[in-house]
Amino acid sequence: EDQVTQSPEALRLQEGESSSLNCSYTVSGLRGLFWYRQDPGKGPEFLFTLYSAGEEKEKERLKATLTKKESFLHITAPKPEDSATYLCAVSSGGSNYKLTFGKGTLLTVNP
Amino acid sequence: EAGVVQSPRYKIIEKKQPVAFWCNPISGHNTLYWYLQNLGQGPELLIRYENEEAVDDSQLPKDRFSAERLKGVDSTLKIQPAELGDSAVYLCASSLAGAADTQYFGPGTRLTVL
Repeated sequence: EDQVTQSPEALRLQEGESSSLNCSYTVSGLRGLFWYRQDPGKGPEFLFTLYSAGEEKEKERLKATLTKKESFLHITAPKPEDSATYLCAVSSGGSNYKLTFGKGTLLTVNP
Repeated sequence: EAGVVQSPRYKIIEKKQPVAFWCNPISGHNTLYWYLQNLGQGPELLIRYENEEAVDDSQLPKDRFSAERLKGVDSTLKIQPAELGDSAVYLCASSLAGAADTQYFGPGTRLTVL
């Protein structure tokens, strides 16, 4: 059974204070690792898909990286509008192609 | 381009009453998913459709939950009868084909069962 563990559960940063969120996973044949952002009262918003170890993707202040066991979401010089819950999910060939999500990291960026 | 549309956004019902949620996926997306999200948790898959066919419904509680996707576009998820523990957010998502492709989510329906 696929498993995804995200840490920390909550992170509070000052505006401009860079940090990283962690997503550790156990799957039987990774097909893709996904990062989503979820604002209160809204559905998850797609950020990145990573397919193989060593892959990196960037979008504005966010950069996602992938190894064989974990993924990191690096946030550089965050702004208050980056405050949200960040969800990590994996899909694998052993789970009929469904997404298995972690519980998320609640990020708060104070001005 | 329009995203995934869901309605209603909020629903409050008494226990033992029926309830239905509607989803319209992104145009051209053959695969449609229904997820359940409890507070403080990530979404959990209930059912996945490829066109009209439910190809993965192993997580759907079939004694009270049912779903359909007539004509391979819109989908409806129904609960009958609802229980207190069904209170959650019900999310619909769609993708071009399979979970290896990016899934795009709708805003969800927040269900409260009293």
